[in-house]
Amino acid sequence: QLQLQESGPGLVKPSETLSLTCTVSGGSIRNSSYYWGWIRQPPGKGLEWIGSMFYSGSTYYNPSLESRVTISGDTTKNQFSLKLNSVTAADTAVYFCARHFLFGWYIDYWGQGTLVTVSS
Amino acid sequence: QSALTQPASVSGSPGQSITISCTGTSIDVGGYDYVSWYQQRPGQAPKLMIYDVSNRPSGVSNRFSGSKSGNTASLTISGLQAEDEADYYCLSYTSTSTVVFGGGTELTVL
Repeated sequence: QLQLQESGPGLVKPSETLSLTCTVSGGSIRNSSYYWGWIRQPPGKGLEWIGSMFYSGSTYYNPSLESRVTISGDTTKNQFSLKLNSVTAADTAVYFCARHFLFGWYIDYWGQGTLVTVSS
Repeated sequence: QSALTQPASVSGSPGQSITISCTGTSIDVGGYDYVSWYQQRPGQAPKLMIYDVSNRPSGVSNRFSGSKSGNTASLTISGLQAEDEADYYCLSYTSTSTVVFGGGTELTVL
């Protein structure tokens, strides 16, 4: 059974960089049938897609966040990561990592989510 | 990239049917049969309920069904049950090789 687990700091200061890692078990991020992505949800609000990557290195980002986001993968550790720079309070959210099917981009597996608060 | 439009809330009584709409444009919902639906209960990760407009993953009740007409996709839940009370989100692939979520719909079972 595939499992995804987010890890990283729960508190980040304004203007700094938010960094999260997703560790995948029960499957490989080198599987050519899937993308691996990040989604966030501010408290009490809806879901927002941040971006996704293919194991080959191709990346796809939400245009509204593209200037601040980098998603990358480490196939040797079976992990992928999110970096969001110049954060503000508006970036406070639960961050989920997830797996998208290649065709259709539907998300069939999600991590449990991790709350990241931006505050000094 | 604007969020797809969903009603903020819908409600229904046990046993009834409800439909949640998800309206986009020709570059997302209307352009591809790549709409999926997710159920999210409080404090939990979303769960895939429908993919590729109308397909149900294994294990999802056949009370859940999806359809699409033009730029609007719909999720229908028949035989409403108390356990269906949750937030529901649509997701669509877009012409710029990205995806966009709907704003979410809160379903209340009366």
